[in-house]
Amino acid sequence: EAGVAQSPRYKIIEKRQSVAFWCNPISGHATLYWYQQILGQGPKLLIQFQNNGVVDDSQLPKDRFSAERLKGVDSTLKIQPAKLEDSAVYLCASSIPQGPRQYFGPGTRLTVL
Amino acid sequence: AQSVTQLDSQVPVFEEAPVELRCNYSSSVSVYLFWYVQYPNQGLQLLLKYLSGSTLVESINGFEAEFNKSQTSFHLRKPSVHISDTAEYFCAVMGAQKLVFGQGTRLTINP
Repeated sequence: EAGVAQSPRYKIIEKRQSVAFWCNPISGHATLYWYQQILGQGPKLLIQFQNNGVVDDSQLPKDRFSAERLKGVDSTLKIQPAKLEDSAVYLCASSIPQGPRQYFGPGTRLTVL
Repeated sequence: AQSVTQLDSQVPVFEEAPVELRCNYSSSVSVYLFWYVQYPNQGLQLLLKYLSGSTLVESINGFEAEFNKSQTSFHLRKPSVHISDTAEYFCAVMGAQKLVFGQGTRLTINP
């Protein structure tokens, strides 16, 4: 069974630039999550999708972050414009609906200079 | 809302020594509990989970954790660690469909 795929694995940009991350969840997993993991901290949920609808985006900085999951499968997370404090690993995870276990992708390490 | 406290940010131990990584949580609803491991430059991997039933849960590589409801704890233990156990360990609690992580404990194994 293929795991959660993410790309790119690494990205370096300058502040005020924009960046996008892509996630492909495990086949059949209707629920998709984006987490932000700042160095030295645990992952923090940014947004949760159920199919192509948003379940929880209460911790998403909506002035600069956006996410979509148009066809209920792949998802993209965008930051525009990026700030220095956005430097982090962005993790995508997926699960079956109501399932307690989440499966994580390898993450995208973003460095903002 | 749930919260998780990992009491040690770093734990250094010698190889073949026992180790305990401490985790306490708070929640107003019933929870599921997890330990995830993150090896250097890799993603999060599930180590073990408590969903229901026996309060002692084990992983395939010798770790175990015990759910203690009265003390709201889910400490992770291993009787004898190996160099390959060097990693960051995250305790997480799920309540009301939301997964909340602790700050992580860095386990370093010295030969």
